[in-house]
Amino acid sequence: DVKVTQSSRYLVKRTGEKVFLECVQDMDHENMFWYRQDPGLGLRLIYFSYDVKMKEKGDIPEGYSVSREKKERFSLILESASTNQTSMYLCASSTTGQFYEQYFGPGTRLTVT
Amino acid sequence: GENVEQHPSTLSVQEGDSAVIKCTYSDSASNYFPWYKQELGKRPQLIIDIRSNVGEKKDQRIAVTLNKTAKHFSLHITETQPEDSAVYFCAASPSEYGNKLVFGAGTILRVKS
Repeated sequence: DVKVTQSSRYLVKRTGEKVFLECVQDMDHENMFWYRQDPGLGLRLIYFSYDVKMKEKGDIPEGYSVSREKKERFSLILESASTNQTSMYLCASSTTGQFYEQYFGPGTRLTVT
Repeated sequence: GENVEQHPSTLSVQEGDSAVIKCTYSDSASNYFPWYKQELGKRPQLIIDIRSNVGEKKDQRIAVTLNKTAKHFSLHITETQPEDSAVYFCAASPSEYGNKLVFGAGTILRVKS
C-alpha cells in the first residue's frame, strides 16, 4: 500500500519567514510533485522531480524552490513567505511513465499571517 | 501549454440520479485523462482514467468518454449514492511531459438523499 506522508497537517507562519514543507514516500517512486490547492482553481503544479537532484518548474513556481537529495523525500521551500501563499499544499508521487496514478499525501494547510 | 476547463463547478443531484461532469482541454498532444475524487478532508484519489486510443471506459457505476476531435471528455456517474458526494477533478497529460498532469478547477458534487 502506497504511503505518502507530509511533515505537518497545519502550519502557521509569519510573513517573511522561510518555510519548509517535507514529503516522504515509501514506494520507491521516481516522480514526485508539489501542488497547491485553492478553491475554484483546482490543483496547480508548483514543481516536480523525476529523479534525485532533478527538478522541473511547474505552472506556478514563483516564490518557491524545491530540494530532492534522497529518492524518497521531496521538500518544498518558501524562501520568504507571503500572505498570498496561504493555501493547502499537496505532495504526490508516482512511478515512471505517463499512465500511472499519482498518489497524494494528506496535505499541509499553511497559513501565513 | 495545456489548459483544462471543467464544468459545472457545483452539481446537486438526487440520490439515484445520474451525474455528468465535463472537461475540455487545449493541447491536442495530450493523450491521458485521469479523474480524481477528493472526499471532504481527504486526499485526492484516482477513480478512473482513459487513454487517447479509447473512446469510452466503464468501471461499475462510473464511466468516462473521450472525444479527441472536440477535445473534451466527461465523467458519468449512474445511480448516485451519498458516498459519491465529493470534489471531482479531471486532468490531462501532454505526452511530452511524462507524468505531469494539468488539472481542472474541480466540481463539487452533492448527492441529496
